[in-house]
Amino acid sequence: ILNVEQSPQSLHVQEGDSTNFTCSFPSSNFYALHWYRWETAKSPEALFVMTLNGDEKKKGRISATLNTKEGYSYLYIKGSQPEDSATYLCAFILGDYKLSFGAGTTVTVRA
Amino acid sequence: NAGVTQTPKFQVLKTGQSMTLQCAQDMNHNSMYWYRQDPGMGLRLIYYSASEGTTDKGEVPNGYNVSRLNKREFSLRLESAAPSQTSVYFCAGTGTGLSEAFFGQGTRLTVV
Repeated sequence: ILNVEQSPQSLHVQEGDSTNFTCSFPSSNFYALHWYRWETAKSPEALFVMTLNGDEKKKGRISATLNTKEGYSYLYIKGSQPEDSATYLCAFILGDYKLSFGAGTTVTVRA
Repeated sequence: NAGVTQTPKFQVLKTGQSMTLQCAQDMNHNSMYWYRQDPGMGLRLIYYSASEGTTDKGEVPNGYNVSRLNKREFSLRLESAAPSQTSVYFCAGTGTGLSEAFFGQGTRLTVV
């Protein structure tokens, strides 16, 4: 993998259900992996910055894991709510501070 | 604290015109970035500045130039605007790669 890849591109979730999606990144020269939440007509806002293999972060119902050896991170949303509807971006940073984003996973939560 | 401030918020240009997008931050960020948002493509990196006095190309630098005027300011210039540069542009800054990026409110640019 040469760039940051996110899958799926979009998903629809019923309110109350849990979901997860993937960010894949180059496993060599890893420095940090960022997750952002991006609502329509707003600016992206940071969820997590992850740096260590095996790292796990949690903020409310949202959590993330990191595997730097195989080059992937999962974002989990537990008990999805309509306010979780947004595009979730991951970004990979190298030691030269180049911060590159994936195309995002757009989550739509149906009430 | 204002955070990361972009000006202008909206701009319409004619093909061939030039303009500069301004970005200023008061968060003591070392690194600053310019991105463009295009449908289905997330944020694509145009240029970045890892630290004051340095700039580097990102993924889509053609048609753009940048200046890191000082630690606070990082400007993006379109020398001869083209319709393909119609987009929403975001400026961002980080302290280090280990800290989160903070974004400006975006500039919606239309080139006709």
